[in-house]
Amino acid sequence: DTEVTQTPKHLVMGMTNKKSLKCEQHMGHRAMYWYKQKAKKPPELMFVYSYEKLSINESVPSRFSPECPNSSLLNLHLHALQPEDSALYLCASSVVTGNQETQYFGPGTRLLVL
Amino acid sequence: QKEVEQNSGPLSVPEGAIASLNCTYSDRGSQSFFWYRQYSGKSPELIMSIYSNGDKEDGRFTAQLNKASQYVSLLIRDSQPSDSATYLCAVTGFQKLVFGTGTRLLVSP
Repeated sequence: DTEVTQTPKHLVMGMTNKKSLKCEQHMGHRAMYWYKQKAKKPPELMFVYSYEKLSINESVPSRFSPECPNSSLLNLHLHALQPEDSALYLCASSVVTGNQETQYFGPGTRLLVL
Repeated sequence: QKEVEQNSGPLSVPEGAIASLNCTYSDRGSQSFFWYRQYSGKSPELIMSIYSNGDKEDGRFTAQLNKASQYVSLLIRDSQPSDSATYLCAVTGFQKLVFGTGTRLLVSP
């Protein structure tokens, strides 16, 4: 089973709103990721959590705030976003087999900032 | 030089033909290589992974890796219109995946 779930599927928010994206996996994967993807571009890494600790922050603006409450759950808190932040936000988790690590993506949240 | 390079396409093939997608990478230390398929508006779906030089086959898909040439390819046999999508090549970097820009494949009936 390689299922990663994300909620909501779609989100529309104003620039003064606060919202959160949620990601869950129940596969015991050790690492979880947030990506941002704009149209016709590859996924762009934002954050990596490894064993529930933030291990990579790709210089993401502070209006994006990640949180990993436990090993199965990853949140992305959004505040004072800009229209250019509209994108598909992807969560992924990874499994290690031997010395190889493989990432699996959730279905994504389509975000529109007005 | 980009870390992972792909031809953006579109690559157009007729139904039933072999589609050949190519990817080159710059980091000789890369150990793991992946092909993800992404339909428009959907998330990337892992279709192949390869770690050793040579070929790896899974159904209609064959991944080929040549570490000396820093080259990864994906062959899709008996291409179907449902294979029309963007194919992302990804290579492991330091603690993260590095993606190519993707190749758009169009399979015409």
